Amino acid sequence: ILNVEQSPQSLHVQEGDSTNFTCSFPSSNFYALHWYRWETAKSPEALFVMTLNGDEKKKGRISATLNTKEGYSYLYIKGSQPEDSATYLCAFLNTNAGKSTFGDGTTLTVKP
Amino acid sequence: NAGVMQNPRHLVRRRGQEARLRCSPMKGHSHVYWYRQLPEEGLKFMVYLQKENIIDESGMPKERFSAEFPKEGPSILRIQQVVRGDSAAYFCASSPYDGSNTEAFFGQGTRLTVV
Repeated sequence: ILNVEQSPQSLHVQEGDSTNFTCSFPSSNFYALHWYRWETAKSPEALFVMTLNGDEKKKGRISATLNTKEGYSYLYIKGSQPEDSATYLCAFLNTNAGKSTFGDGTTLTVKP
Repeated sequence: NAGVMQNPRHLVRRRGQEARLRCSPMKGHSHVYWYRQLPEEGLKFMVYLQKENIIDESGMPKERFSAEFPKEGPSILRIQQVVRGDSAAYFCASSPYDGSNTEAFFGQGTRLTVV
């Protein structure tokens, strides 16, 4: 069983605050890590696909880093806006499987 | 290019009935994944299929659940003799190949309620 853990489970911030959360995954047999954004009543949408140790990806105010040796990835949101409110999921793929193992997500609420 | 289509969006079944959930992957995608989200829980892997093949069904309950992805037509997740504990949101995702370097695209889910 692969353990993919995300922390914190939930986060409440004020508009304009910057925030970050963590995804921890097994450090052996790493293949790829995906970040998804999941808004209520919608389906998860991919944010980033990360494959190399040291990867940094950015999309607008959202960025992510990857450390495969120690088994973690950070997602950062700069200047949070109410529309950033969603659950952010990470998904880990190891070298032995084509399926993704998801963490339980971090639910972000941004108050105006 | 239409996205991943799941139907029905909502399904109500009485205990003991059968539930059939359909997933049409994105055009050109030959890999399909089914996930289940139980109330108050995250997404849990159930099964990974390619056309006419089950690649990994390690997340599928051993009894009552089956999945297929025929050469023609949508992927079907079938739950026989449903029980209240089967009530959940079932999500399907597809990718063009094994998903390692490309993200999966999700459907909007089927919410199954067993009464």
